[in-house]
Order: sequence, then structure tokens, then C-alpha cells
Amino acid sequence: DTAVSQTPKYLVTQMGNDKSIKCEQNLGHDTMYWYKQDSKKFLKIMFSYNNKELIINETVPNRFSPKSPDKAHLNLHINSLELGDSAVYFCASSQGWNTDTQYFGPGTRLTVL
Amino acid sequence: AQTVTQSQPEMSVQEAETVTLSCTYDTSESDYYLFWYKQPPSRQMILVIRQEAYKQQNATENRFSVNFQKAAKSFSLKISDSQLGDAAMYFCAYRSANTGNQFYFGTGTSLTVIP
Repeated sequence: DTAVSQTPKYLVTQMGNDKSIKCEQNLGHDTMYWYKQDSKKFLKIMFSYNNKELIINETVPNRFSPKSPDKAHLNLHINSLELGDSAVYFCASSQGWNTDTQYFGPGTRLTVL
Repeated sequence: AQTVTQSQPEMSVQEAETVTLSCTYDTSESDYYLFWYKQPPSRQMILVIRQEAYKQQNATENRFSVNFQKAAKSFSLKISDSQLGDAAMYFCAYRSANTGNQFYFGTGTSLTVIP
């Protein structure tokens, strides 16, 4: 069983569209994250949720909105997609807020045309 | 914010040989964690090894070991008996033990294993 899963794996869309990426973890973890990996492979945190509450919100355009319906899910919705949003987006989870080890999903490659 | 630097964008190693990947970091904290993650072409981020800053002993996981030099803020990864499956991007990461759970990643080192 996959510990952290993301759907879709690939997403190709036109500029201006709205899209969502879903993330689920079956590890029973309390904390989940979204990271963005740009074309130069730099991985940067975007959001973190602990027990469905937002605890980290880095400098990210408000076109990006995370939603956590329950502890096992953290979805990322992106409005009015721009060319610069093209990247690989990773979901991750950890046991708790203060737990060091994070488990990553396989990533979603978003391409905006 | 803490910074993590990986000065080697690319490295290569012959199969069965040993290679060392470098990582330095900048922090004013005394208590933190350090990690090496592997990202193969499948893109999945896989935890390779972790080190607690308060431990002097270097972490080891099978063929993977680290050289942790706290005073020098250096955290290198040594891969022994390199295998073709070790080919991947390797990311060094830092996490504070006290000020939240945010990871700071380096820019990665692409490792090629030559048969």
C-alpha cells in the first residue's frame, strides 16, 4: 500500500484554468505538507497542516488554496493558473508537528501551457 | 531562514566504488535534525538517512553513512559499494528541533553511477 499518494501524477492545462491536486496518506499522521519543486529542482515548502489546521503558509500567491477535509487528506487547489506555476508538487506527511521525518508522495508534474 | 548548500550539482561514480556528496548549512541553533533524501527518476522523495545534531556519532544505514561535523556545519553523505540503483538526485535537508517543522532543502546533487 502506498503511504502517501497523490493524484493526478501528471496534469497539463491551459493558462487561466483552475485545477486541484489531491493528496492522501494512510500512515495515521497528524501533519501534512505541500512542497513545490521548480525546474532547477529546488524544493520549497508551501503549506503545512496539523490536525486539519493551517500552521505554515509561506509566501505563496493566494491563487493557491489548500484544503484539509480530514487528517488523512490535504488537497491543493490552484486558481487562474499561470505559466510560472509549472513545477512538480509534492505532498508529504509526518507523525506530528514536531516530528522530524517526513514521508513524501510521488509528486504531481503540473504543466501550464 | 536557515540555508542549506550543496556545492556539487553533479557527481559520478563507478559501480562498486565509493562517493561522497557534500552539504553545508547555516544556522544559529544548537538543536536540529539533518537528512539526506534520494529522488530517483520516479520523482518519489525517499529518506536515506537522518542525524540528530545532539548526537556525536555519525548515522549509518547499510551502505550509506554520514560525516557530521557540527562545528563546521558540514553534513556529507558517503555511499559505499555504489550500485546502479543509487543513481538519483540527492537532497540534503535541515529541520529545526525547536522552531517548527519546516524543512529547508539544498538544491540537490545529481549522482550518476557508471557501470
